[in-house]
Formats: sequence, structure tokens, C-alpha cells
Amino acid sequence: GENVEQHPSTLSVQEGDSAVIKCTYSDSASNYFPWYKQELGKRPQLIIDIRSNVGEKKDQRIAVTLNKTAKHFSLHITETQPEDSAVYFCAATVYNQGGKLIFGQGTELSVKP
Amino acid sequence: KAGVTQTPRYLIKTRGQQVTLSCSPISGHRSVSWYQQTPGQGLQFLFEYFSETQRNKGNFPGRFSGRQFSNSRSEMNVSTLELGDSALYLCASSLDGGAGQPQHFGDGTRLSIL
Repeated sequence: GENVEQHPSTLSVQEGDSAVIKCTYSDSASNYFPWYKQELGKRPQLIIDIRSNVGEKKDQRIAVTLNKTAKHFSLHITETQPEDSAVYFCAATVYNQGGKLIFGQGTELSVKP
Repeated sequence: KAGVTQTPRYLIKTRGQQVTLSCSPISGHRSVSWYQQTPGQGLQFLFEYFSETQRNKGNFPGRFSGRQFSNSRSEMNVSTLELGDSALYLCASSLDGGAGQPQHFGDGTRLSIL
């Protein structure tokens, strides 16, 4: 069945360092991969997404890469700041089921000043 | 534009009762998806509605049901509540749920079962 594995489950970095979170999906028909940031007690917020016809996408300090052959995608955050501390979720949708997101288990990122 | 609105924000129920949660999507969005978030299971897909029809369904028992109205607002119903139903229930809307369309979440309804 559809599955998304996310690693690591927790990540602690010093302010200014980079952070990388990795996800692997099982369904080769998956074609859309969003990343969400969820701060404590708040809604998940979409921070970046990538479609299967693109290998990399950047938005200021964040970037996502996709390797369709290996079925994995990664989130890269550079020059981390304390306000980046949150839980990050990767997700994948299945072809023709765009309204259905399969989520990874989440990564709790802590950025220490 | 107003975001996704969920009501109520908090609910306390007892086992065996039923509950109805409401979700108003972003204006113009016609697809509404529902998710259950728990510490142990993470975010799990419940179902998606589009044009008043359930289009996708996750692996939840039939006690979980939903519907969508002509104005795209959606409701989710859980009958015969169990302790394990305690969770944050999130809804998300997108334009039409097509491939590659971003989903935007509401603040959720936190349901506690006593």
C-alpha cells in the first residue's frame, strides 16, 4: 500500500547550521510532494512543494530535491534560525487521487541559539 | 481571503456518543479532505469530498463518515465514539483536489473522549 517513511524523527542543530530531512515513498505513481511545518498548537502550513517533473525547487532558505528513481525526496534548510523550530512533515499524493495526502511520521527540528 | 475554518475548536465527549465536526473551505475551493492527527499514528487521511461526493477514502471504520454541501462546506461525523478516537481532526481544502494542488489546513478540532 501507500507509505511514506521520514527520517530522522528528531533533529537538533545550532543556529546557522543546515538541516536535512529525508523521505521515501512507496508508490511509484506518486506525483506531488509537499512539505508542511507545524508549530506547537498550530495548523500544518505548506512551506514548499515539488512535482514529479522537477528535480529541485528552492525558496529562499529552503529547498526540496526529488529522486524519482530512488523514490525519495529531501528538505534542506540552510542558515537555520530559532523560529525554524517545529515539526516538519513530508507527504505524497497518488496519481489521480490528488485530494489524498500520505504523510510521513514527522521530524521535530530544534534550532539552538 | 479567509482561511479554512473549523468548528468547534474543542470538544469533550464520552464513549458511545456521536459527534459532528464542521469545515468551511477557502472561498472558491471545492475539494475538502479530512485527516486525523494523533501522537502515535501521525497524520492519517480519512476521506475527501468534491462536488458533494466522496471521492477518496482512507482506512477508517464506517463509524467515520462525512458529507459536503453545495457551498463546499463539509461535515464529518463519528458515531459510537471510542477512547481511541481522541485526536486532532484537521480538514484541508484545495481548488479541486487535482494532482499538484496545494492543500491548506484549518486549525483543527481537538476531540477528547472520556
